Amino acid sequence: SQQGEEDPQALSIQEGENATMNCSYKTSINNLQWYRQNSGRGLVHLILIRSNEREKHSGRLRVTLDTSKKSSSLLITASRAADTASYFCATGQNSGGSNYKLTFGKGTLLTVNP
Amino acid sequence: GAGVSQSPSNKVTEKGKDVELRCDPISGHTALYWYRQSLGQGLEFLIYFQGNSAPDKSGLPSDRFSAERTGGSVSTLTIQRTQQEDSAVYLCASAGQGGDTQYFGPGTRLTVL
Repeated sequence: SQQGEEDPQALSIQEGENATMNCSYKTSINNLQWYRQNSGRGLVHLILIRSNEREKHSGRLRVTLDTSKKSSSLLITASRAADTASYFCATGQNSGGSNYKLTFGKGTLLTVNP
Repeated sequence: GAGVSQSPSNKVTEKGKDVELRCDPISGHTALYWYRQSLGQGLEFLIYFQGNSAPDKSGLPSDRFSAERTGGSVSTLTIQRTQQEDSAVYLCASAGQGGDTQYFGPGTRLTVL
């Protein structure tokens, strides 16, 4: 089963509005990351938050992490049409020895209408 | 420097044929990952290489799938006797030693007719 589950599956907003996407996971993690994907191609890393952090900012992005609830949120402020993409959360775990795995959710499709 | 590159960008093949997908990671990155993404779905982990360690093959869906990484750099994912359900985008990512962030290639879109 998926480690990360994004919510909602799809979100449509107007340019200038804020977009909030949520992610829940099941097992303990080292960190949680958010990635963006345009047109079903390669993913681009947006931001990483470690398990001992609660909030992180990067430009118009704000990520929170609540390890007690096993959940994270990604907020995009003052959205632009160019923010239209799929957004994935990925949980990072050490899987034994030097192995490190990211487990991805199914993503939220964000549409920002001009 | 250059990012992760993959080739071909698109591959159409007939059911039963073998295909090879190539990934060139970022120079110096020791970790290399292969993922599969079916239409509208998340990423499914396939295999992970880290330096000279034995690869983590736990995500390979069947023995028709195999991958190798030569010289700690370029990797090839081979799918033998392709089936229609193998149709997907195959993504490669690399990461530096101890790095948490993965850098993705543009993917190879595989279509099995």
